[in-house]
Amino acid sequence: EIVLTQFPATLSLSPGERATLSCGASQSVGGDFLAWFQQKPGLAPRLLIYDAYTRATGIPDRFSGSGSGTDFTLTITRLEPEDFAVYFCQQYGDSPITFGQGTRLEIK
Amino acid sequence: QVQLVESGGGLVKPGGSLRLSCAASGFTFSDYYMAWIRQTPGKGLEWLSYISGSVSDISYADSVKGRFTIYRDNAKNSLWLQMNSLRVEDSAVYYCARGAWELPLDLWGRGTLVTVSS
Repeated sequence: EIVLTQFPATLSLSPGERATLSCGASQSVGGDFLAWFQQKPGLAPRLLIYDAYTRATGIPDRFSGSGSGTDFTLTITRLEPEDFAVYFCQQYGDSPITFGQGTRLEIK
Repeated sequence: QVQLVESGGGLVKPGGSLRLSCAASGFTFSDYYMAWIRQTPGKGLEWLSYISGSVSDISYADSVKGRFTIYRDNAKNSLWLQMNSLRVEDSAVYYCARGAWELPLDLWGRGTLVTVSS
C-alpha cells in the first residue's frame, strides 16, 4: 500500500499570503493519479485538484497542483479567509486507494 | 442538482449489522464507479470499497473484506453498504462518493455517522 505523508501538519499563515502544502508518497503514484481535497468542519471533503495538477470544476485559479512520482505540492496563492481548512492528498493510481493524514491551514 | 445523500447510520452493538444507503441524483448514475469511504479523528480518511457502474468490478479494503458488501441498483440510482460483524473500530462517519481506482472522487455526500458500542 502507498503511504502518503503530508507536511507540515499545521501551517499558520495570514490572508493574502501564499501557502505551500506537500504530500510525499512511499512509492511512485501510478499515472500521477494524485488528488487534493479541502475539508471544513462538519462537511465532506471537496475535490480541488486531480491527476496531480488539473483543477476540478469551479475551483479558483489560486489553487494549483504540481509534482509527479513521489512528490506533490498544492499551492494556494493569495489566501482568502475561506481557504483556512484541512487539506488532504489522496492517491488513486494503486490499490488500495489511500489518503494522507492532512495539513491544517490556520489563520496566523 | 448533482448530489449524493447518505442515510442509515446509527448506534449498533459490536457484532451487529447495519446497512447504509446512498441516493444519487442529477447525473447518470449507471455511468459511474461509486465508492464508500470512512473518516475517524484518529485514522483519518479510509477507502473501503468501490463498484463499477456495470457491477462487474468490485473491490474492498482488507479491513472490511468478508464483512462489508457493496451493491447498487442503477434503476433506483442507489448505492448500499451492508456492514456485518461490526467492531468498535468501525465507528466513523461514512461517505459515499463518485469515483474509484484511476478515477478522482469528484462528488461526495455529507456522510452518515456509525457508532459501534455496547
